[in-house]
Amino acid sequence: EVQLLESGGGLVQPGGSLRLSCAASGFTFSNHAMTWVRHAPGKGLEWVSAIVGSGGRTYYADPVKGRFTISRDNSKNTLYLQMNSLRAEDTAVYYCAKCLKPDGTCYFDCWGQGTLVTVSS
Amino acid sequence: EIVMTQSPATLSVSPGERATLSCRASQSISNILAWYQQKPGQAPRLVIYDASTRATGVPLTFSGSGSGTEFTLTISSPQSEDFAVYYCQQYLSWPPTFGQGTKVEMK
Repeated sequence: EVQLLESGGGLVQPGGSLRLSCAASGFTFSNHAMTWVRHAPGKGLEWVSAIVGSGGRTYYADPVKGRFTISRDNSKNTLYLQMNSLRAEDTAVYYCAKCLKPDGTCYFDCWGQGTLVTVSS
Repeated sequence: EIVMTQSPATLSVSPGERATLSCRASQSISNILAWYQQKPGQAPRLVIYDASTRATGVPLTFSGSGSGTEFTLTISSPQSEDFAVYYCQQYLSWPPTFGQGTKVEMK
């Protein structure tokens, strides 16, 4: 069974940092691109970042470019999102999601349960 | 960036009454479109991909259609478990973009 389990969310002050993790199981992790999608209170889904299966290429949404860094450790079947210079507007539930393919854009066929990030003083 | 626009924002239907949700892309995306269902406090769930292919385990009451810029998700006979928010998403080009969602609620 495919499973994705996020962790690392919490309350952080504006300007602070957090690192999210997503532990994957039930599939060959390196064969799939992975992504982070967030859901802010009262808003719709927003794609944040993606990384190809090999880890050799990354993509970012404009609002997080230069502040967030996506990475993966295929030996540990784990996806990461390092979030720096956090702002109030980054407050959201962050989901990791699995792409069907190792590269390119895709739809997301499996999602984790999400981890809440709250940026507030 | 391709902008996805969903309508209506809220759709009130009676159980068993057909629900029709619309999604429009700002430029042609062929059939490179997915639909997701999200219930309160839960992660999104893939419902349809490639505009019309049901994901694993999705009941036959869900169907997707369209190509180019106009797409439709139809729930032929909504049951209580189908009342949720539905999002469309294009994956033709970077960045992948979502519509703002349609809430399907019980009348």
